[in-house]
Amino acid sequence: AQKVTQAQTEISVVEKEDVTLDCVYETRDTTYYLFWYKQPPSGELVFLIRRNSFDEQNEISGRYSWNFQKSTSSFNFTITASQVVDSAVYFCALSGYNFNKFYFGSGTKLNVKP
Amino acid sequence: DVKVTQSSRYLVKRTGEKVFLECVQDMDHENMFWYRQDPGLGLRLIYFSYDVKMKEKGDIPEGYSVSREKKERFSLILESASTNQTSMYLCASSLGTSEDYEQYFGPGTRLTVT
Repeated sequence: AQKVTQAQTEISVVEKEDVTLDCVYETRDTTYYLFWYKQPPSGELVFLIRRNSFDEQNEISGRYSWNFQKSTSSFNFTITASQVVDSAVYFCALSGYNFNKFYFGSGTKLNVKP
Repeated sequence: DVKVTQSSRYLVKRTGEKVFLECVQDMDHENMFWYRQDPGLGLRLIYFSYDVKMKEKGDIPEGYSVSREKKERFSLILESASTNQTSMYLCASSLGTSEDYEQYFGPGTRLTVT
């Protein structure tokens, strides 16, 4: 069975703090893909990153970084020096080799206070 | 940029009404999806389509049907709306290749059934 768990329902931080959003997944597929999406208050989900199961290299994009660890089935997302504009709901998602089915976590709402 | 548009941002309907939610994408994507988003449950797949006139049930298809007569348009139909279908509905599309199949989302339709 495919499943994504985001245990943190809501996180509040003060601007400039670092924050890590956790994502744990379950799958029996050997080939799979992991995603992070951001949903700002406007409602439209914005794609942030895709990672395939054969590439465990961590990725950094500006203030964003992602830590993929197959050993713990985790794909965590860290925002460094958070800003108010980072306030949003963040979703982690999993897709198997069948491209058509995405499994989303329940989301983590991040509040960044000035 | 990929653009996915949905016919309404907000919709209020009465119990028993037939409701049509329209989604259009402008990037010639093969795959289109309908999700509903509810607090604490993340995104749940209702139906998806991988080609014109082709459709497959997602995880929660009961009470819904879909139509895809043209490649760019995917409609979600609530045959007889009920209050438990009050939710945010999100449409997405994807190219569906291994190089590029992240899903691109529309702004969502917040449906209230009274």
